[in-house]
Amino acid sequence: QSALTQPASVSGSPGQSITISCTGSSSDVGAYNYVSWYQRHPGRAPKLMIYGVSNRPSGVSDRFSGSKSGNTASLTISGLQAEDEADYYCISYTSSNTLVFGTGTKVTVL
Amino acid sequence: QVQLQQAGPGLVEPSQTLSLTCAISGDSVSSNSGAWNWIRQSPSGGLEWLGRTYYRSKWFYEYALSVKSRITINPDTSRNQFSLQLNSVTPEDTALYYCAGGTAAAGIRYWGQGTLVTVSS
Repeated sequence: QSALTQPASVSGSPGQSITISCTGSSSDVGAYNYVSWYQRHPGRAPKLMIYGVSNRPSGVSDRFSGSKSGNTASLTISGLQAEDEADYYCISYTSSNTLVFGTGTKVTVL
Repeated sequence: QVQLQQAGPGLVEPSQTLSLTCAISGDSVSSNSGAWNWIRQSPSGGLEWLGRTYYRSKWFYEYALSVKSRITINPDTSRNQFSLQLNSVTPEDTALYYCAGGTAAAGIRYWGQGTLVTVSS
């Protein structure tokens, strides 16, 4: 099972919106609405930001939103803030009854 | 609030077995709605899902293809914990290992503190 493909880095200025893509296949992202997104700051455990493609857990800012089209899921961060600078990973359920992570994206706030 | 506490050695010799445990508080390893995962982050940075166990009237075990021949994840209902065993380790297994609780549908919401495991003689 190959890792899902994410851009290595995305950057934006404070207040702007950015979108991170997560591309898989018809055996994972395209087959199930079981894509979630995680934020990871250095030295800390990953934090769940989005689950089930577009659902936000309690306590996560509504500046974070998720969507999916075909084999590609996306995470959008609106009103970018300095605290959003982190690594972001997607993960999807697969037809092999396993989970697979994306390659990870480093978000930089300019 | 679910909390996960990891334990295990930080140094393993090549060809030996890596063993970690993850104690659960605030939920049950036998929960009919939970799932218990092991995930690692290599020095190069990427996250890799290794496998999981969960109970739905019987125990299920699912493993990543990359480690399927070497990995065992076991629940311990008496201690309310689960474990990871990875056999025949090489330096490529050096990573920060996390135990984590959650399902594909609801997301992986709970994470252990992480254990840095170095494979070296």
